[in-house]
Amino acid sequence: NAGVMQNPRHLVRRRGQEARLRCSPMKGHSHVYWYRQLPEEGLKFMVYLQKENIIDESGMPKERFSAEFPKEGPSILRIQQVVRGDSAAYFCASSSGGAYGYTFGSGTRLTVV
Amino acid sequence: AQRVTQPEKLLSVFKGAPVELKCNYSYSGSPELFWYVQYSRQRLQLLLRHISRESIKGFTADLNKGETSFHLKKPFAQEEDSAMYYCALRGTGANNLFFGTGTRLTVIP
Repeated sequence: NAGVMQNPRHLVRRRGQEARLRCSPMKGHSHVYWYRQLPEEGLKFMVYLQKENIIDESGMPKERFSAEFPKEGPSILRIQQVVRGDSAAYFCASSSGGAYGYTFGSGTRLTVV
Repeated sequence: AQRVTQPEKLLSVFKGAPVELKCNYSYSGSPELFWYVQYSRQRLQLLLRHISRESIKGFTADLNKGETSFHLKKPFAQEEDSAMYYCALRGTGANNLFFGTGTRLTVIP
C-alpha cells in the first residue's frame, strides 16, 4: 500500500498560470481532504470531498480555487491565475470516514514566481 | 464554531527536561482530539488520539473538558522529539479535522 500519493512534489508557476495538484488516496479510502500550509503558519482546512461530491468547502477561497474527486482517478486541486500569495505547501489526506484519523500525503510545494 | 488554539508558536527545551505543548479548543459538543507530528522533511503523521489514552514515544495527552484543553506532555525530552506538533479536533459526527497553528519544538542537546 503506497499510502497517499501527491504529485508533483514541487511545482513552479508564473503569475497568471494555472496550477493543478493531484492526490491519490490510500487504497480503500473514499474521503479526501485538502489543506494549505502557508509559510510560518499552520495547516488550514480547505475542502473535504467524497467520490464525485464536495462535502465541505468552507475553507476554499471563493475565487480561482476549485477541487474535484472524480469517480475514476485522483482528486485534483486547481488554482487558476495563480498569484504570489498562493505560494504554499498543499497537503492532501485521506480516510475511510471512520473513527480514525487521517493519512497524509507528502504535500505539493507550490511556488509562484 | 470549532477552534483549536496552540498559543506557543515556538518552544525550546533542553534535552532531559520536561516538555508541555499547550492546546485549547472551543467546541459546543463532544469533540475528538488528536496530536499530529511533522518531523523535518517527513509527512504529517498521527501521534496520538485522546480516545486511545495511550502513550506514544513517551508522550501523553489528557483531555480536560473543564478547561477545554488537550496538552501534550513528555517527562524527559529527547533530541529526536524536535518537530512541528499540531493539535487537531474533529467534531461530533464529522469527518474532517481542524488544526491549530502548530508549535515548533526544539530540543537543545
